[in-house]
Amino acid sequence: DAGITQSPRYKITETGRQVTLMCHQTWSHSYMFWYRQDLGHGLRLIYYSAAADITDKGEVPDGYVVSRSKTENFPLTLESATRSQTSVYFCASSTGTGENSPLHFGNGTRLTVT
Amino acid sequence: GNSVTQMEGPVTLSEEAFLTINCTYTATGYPSLFWYVQYPGEGLQLLLKATKADDKGSNKGFEATYRKETTSFHLEKGSVQVSDSAVYFCALSLNTNAGKSTFGDGTTLTVKP
Repeated sequence: DAGITQSPRYKITETGRQVTLMCHQTWSHSYMFWYRQDLGHGLRLIYYSAAADITDKGEVPDGYVVSRSKTENFPLTLESATRSQTSVYFCASSTGTGENSPLHFGNGTRLTVT
Repeated sequence: GNSVTQMEGPVTLSEEAFLTINCTYTATGYPSLFWYVQYPGEGLQLLLKATKADDKGSNKGFEATYRKETTSFHLEKGSVQVSDSAVYFCALSLNTNAGKSTFGDGTTLTVKP
């Protein structure tokens, strides 16, 4: 089915470990985004990408790395996980900017760092 | 910078009550405005949008009007149902901002039968 899928849905990892969250979309949308959702903070942008091989930092990029070698994939890596990175992570995509920028979200990955 | 302020929740209503969730924004330019809804365990879904002043977005009985003079985009529904229980997010996006959206903190709505 067409859409945006995230994996895994749930992940528990230990402090200091590297973990990668996967995101795949089937629409060929140009723009892709990673947000984290925390109580009291709403949604905060981690990284975004305007096209394959083009990525840029968002509001809270520290401790995260992204890549986008193919249009449809946008993995997010926590290089050395910390407890403060316990959160729900959402990947999203869109076709463009302004009125063309409604976001299509995945169902999220709930990450717990122990 | 750009920002979105939503009324604080949570909001609890009885079925068939009238709903208003306030949203005001600050933006450098002329943003497009959006309301998203998030059901438990799911990602956000676009509920409605408006792209210029005085536009009214509507969907599933929800409405919001883009008010440039008051920089507001309040969400309304005349008669809520239990199934409307969710978290609602107001957001804006600018053509000049590389597709990035700015979100409010979300308002949790609970509708009781």
